[in-house]
Amino acid sequence: QSALTQPRSVSGSPGQSVTISCTGTSSDIGGYDFVSWYQQHPGKAPKVMIYDVNKRPSGVPDRFSGSKSGNTGSLTISGLQAEDEAEYYCCSYAGSNTLVFGGGTKLTVL
Amino acid sequence: QVQLVQSGTEVKKPGASVKVSCTASGYTFTSYEIIWVRQAPGQGLVWMGWVTTANGNTKCSQEFQGRLTFTTDTSANTAYMELSSLRPEDTAVYYCARNGGGLHFWGQGTLVTVSS
Repeated sequence: QSALTQPRSVSGSPGQSVTISCTGTSSDIGGYDFVSWYQQHPGKAPKVMIYDVNKRPSGVPDRFSGSKSGNTGSLTISGLQAEDEAEYYCCSYAGSNTLVFGGGTKLTVL
Repeated sequence: QVQLVQSGTEVKKPGASVKVSCTASGYTFTSYEIIWVRQAPGQGLVWMGWVTTANGNTKCSQEFQGRLTFTTDTSANTAYMELSSLRPEDTAVYYCARNGGGLHFWGQGTLVTVSS
């Protein structure tokens, strides 16, 4: 299956909001409510920020939110903070017991 | 607390095989699938496949068909990923993660370098 499509980079100033999109097809994002988002700082393992489209694990700030419309999932980060600067990856169930990741989006906090 | 601890750095020659372990603690090992993900230098995350720890069933990405094997040792709470016929482009950090409505727990990653 092809990787999900994410913008290569996004940026925002502290306190602002940014949204990262993740576009797939009706065979992955559009077909299931199993979209998750991961934050990865350099040299570190990924960390789940959102799962099942819009659920937030305990410990993740409520500044992070997820949504889905059709074949596109979105991660919104409000009240940007310096520590939010990282790479973000979306992931979706793609049927037949497979998963697919997006190519990643570099978030820069200006 | 839940932990996944992976084996250490590997350096292999082209054509060889590598076996990476992922030892779980802090939960019932057979209650969750283990996912394997790899990340080439400067690149994104790629799903490799998973193993159902309760019964040993596996699913591999077509990208690795024929070269990838997942196994488990439930007595040791350990999952293994073996990749054969290694090529330089297999150089990457390999991660295991626990599947359960998203990948909430990850190993620290294992760097595998393939070079002659």
